[in-house]
Amino acid sequence: QVQLVQSGAEVKKPGASVKVSCKASGYTFTTYGISWVRQAPGQGLEWMGWISAYNGNTNYAQNLQGRVTMTTDTSTSTAYMELRSLRSDDTAVYYCARGAIQFRPPLFNWFDPWGQGTLVTVSS
Amino acid sequence: DIQMTQSPSSLSASVGDRVTITCRASQSISSYLNWYQQKPGKAPKVLIFATSSLQSGVPSRFSGSGSGTDFTLTISSLQPEDFATYYCQQSYSNPTFGPGTKVDIK
Repeated sequence: QVQLVQSGAEVKKPGASVKVSCKASGYTFTTYGISWVRQAPGQGLEWMGWISAYNGNTNYAQNLQGRVTMTTDTSTSTAYMELRSLRSDDTAVYYCARGAIQFRPPLFNWFDPWGQGTLVTVSS
Repeated sequence: DIQMTQSPSSLSASVGDRVTITCRASQSISSYLNWYQQKPGKAPKVLIFATSSLQSGVPSRFSGSGSGTDFTLTISSLQPEDFATYYCQQSYSNPTFGPGTKVDIK
């Protein structure tokens, strides 16, 4: 079955960086894009950006431009999200989510499935 | 960015009740509106995509309607496993989500 498995919880100090992985299985990795979505404690969902696993094209949310980098390793069917210059308000559960339609960016698309989530805590 | 609002923010209902959740977009999004269900400690799960298409495996008591800026998610007969938070999400431009509607037990 299609599955996304994320790396484990992280605790980081303000100003540090974090890199979260998302390993895909059950489908041809390069035919779907991966988005990253985060959820602060008790809050709603925020889309962070998208990467095409086909050609590496990216589209980042404007408020994270310059701090976030999304990459893929097609040899291991793994997507990565790195967030730099961490602040306390970056504390959240970070999810990867596959686009439901092959080769299509998040526009006119939906997210299915999702990874299990990775808690990133930023605290001094 | 397109802003999404939902109402109500929370509701209490009983098993068997008909429940309707409303989602509004700040501009027309045609029919590019998706609905997700999230249970505590779990990832969201898609229920409805493109306003009214039921995701495979989702019970038929869930339905969606609307177009343009106004959309609804309806649960025809609430079941115990439906107590959760529901989010709408537009995909007409860079994705944005509504703030969520928490459905709990009356």
